[in-house]
Amino acid sequence: ETGVTQTPRHLVMGMTNKKSLKCEQHLGHNAMYWYKQSAKKPLELMFVYSLEERVENNSVPSRFSPECPNSSHLFLHLHTLQPEDSALYLCASSQGQSSYNEQFFGPGTRLTVL
Amino acid sequence: SQKIEQNSEALNIQEGKTATLTCNYTNYSPAYLQWYRQDPGRGPVFLLLIRENEKEKRKERLKVTFDTTLKQSLFHITASQPADSATYLCALALHYAGNMLTFGGGTRLMVKP
Repeated sequence: ETGVTQTPRHLVMGMTNKKSLKCEQHLGHNAMYWYKQSAKKPLELMFVYSLEERVENNSVPSRFSPECPNSSHLFLHLHTLQPEDSALYLCASSQGQSSYNEQFFGPGTRLTVL
Repeated sequence: SQKIEQNSEALNIQEGKTATLTCNYTNYSPAYLQWYRQDPGRGPVFLLLIRENEKEKRKERLKVTFDTTLKQSLFHITASQPADSATYLCALALHYAGNMLTFGGGTRLMVKP
C-alpha cells in the first residue's frame, strides 16, 4: 500500500451504533488530519495531530472522538451520530504541522447515518 | 472568520481553451494559498502552492497568481483537455495557523471535446 489509505470506504450506521474509521499513511509524515466534506459545503477541518498530539479540535461535537496511537495511524470513533453527520470523511497527512507542505489525502469514507 | 469564495457554478469550456478559476478571500491575508484537484469519489490531490510574497507560480500547463491587494488568486489551465475535468479547490493558511488549511467550496470544471 502506498500513500494514505482509509477503511472502510463506505459505512452505513444507525444513530445508536458505535463505529470507527481508520486511516493509515505510508509516507513517513508526522502530522495527520481529519476533514468532513458534506454536499455543497467546503471541506471542514475537524482534528489535527502533530507528533501524535492533538493540536486542533475546531469545536467538533463530542460524538466524534479521534485517536492517534502512532504517527502512521489515525482513528475517528463515532457514537450516537445524527443524520446530518452523513458526509465524506477524509484523512490527510503532511510532513510537519507548522510548515508549508502539501497535504496528502486518502480516498475518504462515505458515511451514511440512518 | 476567514471566508473563501470560489465560483459555485460549473465552468464549461472547449478543449484547447484556457480555463480560469477564481478564489476570493476576506479578512486576513493568508501566508500562502494551495490549489487541489478532486475527482468524484476521491480525496483532493495537491497541485500548486503560492506564497504571499509571490505573484505567480507555474507548473507545466498550470499557472497560479496571487494578488493580496485584490484578495484573490487565479488558477489557469492552458490548452485544456477533457482529462482536466474535475473540481478544483483553493485553500489558504493564515500566518498563525501553520498548516491548518481553510478550503473554498470548489469549482467544477468541465472540458468538452
